[in-house]
Amino acid sequence: DIQMTQSPSSLSASVGDRVTLTCRASQSIYSYLNWYQQKPGKAPNLLIYGASNLQSGVPSRFSGSGSGTDFTLTISSLRPEDSATYFCQQSYTTPPLTFGGGTKVEIK
Amino acid sequence: QVQLQESGPGLVKPSQTLSLTCSVSGDSISSDNYYWSWIRQYPGKALEWIGYIYYSGNTYYNPSLKSRVTISVDTSKSQFSLKLSSVTAADTAVYYCARGYSGLVQSWGQGTLVTVSS
Repeated sequence: DIQMTQSPSSLSASVGDRVTLTCRASQSIYSYLNWYQQKPGKAPNLLIYGASNLQSGVPSRFSGSGSGTDFTLTISSLRPEDSATYFCQQSYTTPPLTFGGGTKVEIK
Repeated sequence: QVQLQESGPGLVKPSQTLSLTCSVSGDSISSDNYYWSWIRQYPGKALEWIGYIYYSGNTYYNPSLKSRVTISVDTSKSQFSLKLSSVTAADTAVYYCARGYSGLVQSWGQGTLVTVSS
């Protein structure tokens, strides 16, 4: 199975900061990478699919990039409502669906 | 817009079978385009895919759970179900039902906490 590794596991940043989260796959997954946002007590929500495509309704301050094994999720200007845990997930070889361990973003 | 709602016991005894049902509304469960998944999230926050089913009944399970898992669909009730046998404390988690396509998960239920304890 393809393993997904996210870094850092958590970060703290200020409102207005540019924040970058990283996801690495154990083998090439081309652009078959999805990002989810999970707020406390809620289910995850699809943010980005195909490495860089914003799901409908997602604010444009979110962007995704990368291909092969290395991917990033960037929040261009952090907002208080962006406090959440972010998960990556590969969709190159499915099943199984495999997720990264998550990055928790906190607001200073 | 599709809505999914999990239901079932919140407490299961060790060695027994965990049974959950997901009720689907707002869209037809009988679509070739989607699969219907079960995913769980451990208290430490890691997500684990359990398996999914197409409305035709074709199923795909996580190899690590395959010997204990059964997912079924009832199109007449617009529901799909999860059975996980021989549970232990390690199966304590929030269980989500979800709809997906092309390897991703598009819509999630709110989740239900299942605790395995005597």
